[in-house]
Amino acid sequence: GEDVEQSLFLSVREGDSSVINCTYTDSSSTYLYWYKQEPGAGLQLLTYIFSNMDMKQDQRLTVLLNKKDKHLSLRIADTQTGDSAIYFCAESPMNRDDKIIFGKGTRLHILP
Amino acid sequence: EPEVTQTPSHQVTQMGQEVILRCVPISNHLYFYWYRQILGQKVEFLVSFYNNEISEKSEIFDDQFSVERPDGSNFTLKIRSTKLEDSAMYFCASSGTSEQFFGPGTRLTVL
Repeated sequence: GEDVEQSLFLSVREGDSSVINCTYTDSSSTYLYWYKQEPGAGLQLLTYIFSNMDMKQDQRLTVLLNKKDKHLSLRIADTQTGDSAIYFCAESPMNRDDKIIFGKGTRLHILP
Repeated sequence: EPEVTQTPSHQVTQMGQEVILRCVPISNHLYFYWYRQILGQKVEFLVSFYNNEISEKSEIFDDQFSVERPDGSNFTLKIRSTKLEDSAMYFCASSGTSEQFFGPGTRLTVL
């Protein structure tokens, strides 16, 4: 069945770049997402990429997609303390009403 | 900016009791969803709802669960007889023509 895997923890020094990696299994995935969850808060959509794209950049965020390897990454440039959160990789197929399949989330910890 | 709202933010209930979790989706959205997140685990899809009927449901969404859109604004999730393992954060989401927007969640604690 569909599955999304990502590492559980990442520690990065403030000012460095953070790279969070994710792999997925569903080859029919059309939308691939990154969500951010701060403590006690809901899920905030950070960015998403269509499966026909290789890269998407949005300010400090860069998403890279390797469709052949089913590998997705999120790079956060110049990581700040406010970036400390859990980052969920997620995917869904083409249809608008399709469910989103989430990974377990990567907890990003910022070192001073 | 329009947003999905959920009430209550935290619900504590006794095992075996019925609970209703409420959501107000974004007003012009047509697709509605419930997800849950057990503490420390991944966010799991429960059910999707469109045109006043369930589009898809997961194996978690058994006969104890039901959803309803009782009026033009609310979307509810009912758990008929709560179990300890129903303790989780429940997220409502809605979508229109693009991505799903999530509410802040209701934390359900079953004692």
